[in-house]
Amino acid sequence: DVKVTQSSRYLVKRTGEKVFLECVQDMDHENMFWYRQDPGLGLRLIYFSYDVKMKEKGDIPEGYSVSREKKERFSLILESASTNQTSMYLCASSLIPGQGTQPQHFGDGTRLSIL
Amino acid sequence: GEDVEQSLFLSVREGDSSVINCTYTDSSSTYLYWYKQEPGAGLQLLTYIFSNMDMKQDQRLTVLLNKKDKHLSLRIADTQTGDSAIYFCAEKEDNFNKFYFGSGTKLNVKP
Repeated sequence: DVKVTQSSRYLVKRTGEKVFLECVQDMDHENMFWYRQDPGLGLRLIYFSYDVKMKEKGDIPEGYSVSREKKERFSLILESASTNQTSMYLCASSLIPGQGTQPQHFGDGTRLSIL
Repeated sequence: GEDVEQSLFLSVREGDSSVINCTYTDSSSTYLYWYKQEPGAGLQLLTYIFSNMDMKQDQRLTVLLNKKDKHLSLRIADTQTGDSAIYFCAEKEDNFNKFYFGSGTKLNVKP
């Protein structure tokens, strides 16, 4: 069965800290994505990666960076956390275009609070 | 970017049918998806439809696609309290990696 695992369900950090959110998938998917979800705003794409060491900015990359050193792992980094980054963060993965129906498969999310 | 729109709320009584609507702007969308999100959880893929189809049925779920009007709907028959969740529609072009999600419709099922 398809599995996307996010390392933490809940995380509390302080303003100015460097925060790492980890995501691992076991489906050998090329594509991996990080979204944040806020009430009334739906899902907003932060970054995605279509291959190891490859990344592209999404719609709201400011204040974030990503790392993809291995195919199965995609990390989201908050360089210096701020209170407006308090949110639900969702990781997803998918096959590359042209390979079947290509849905995105999601992890359970990390609810991050910045104090 | 592409624009995918959904109404924010829907309330129905248990046993009734629910219809969740979605409109999109990209006429070259290849796949359209419906996801369900229960409280505190990630998104779970419910069903999808290919853009050359008009309808797809899967047990209590029926997806209708009107490609001319760029309108997608999800009908849930015999809605149960366990169907209470947020439902997202999403669209994607075949040759591209990005998905475009609607803002989600919160379905409330009253007993």
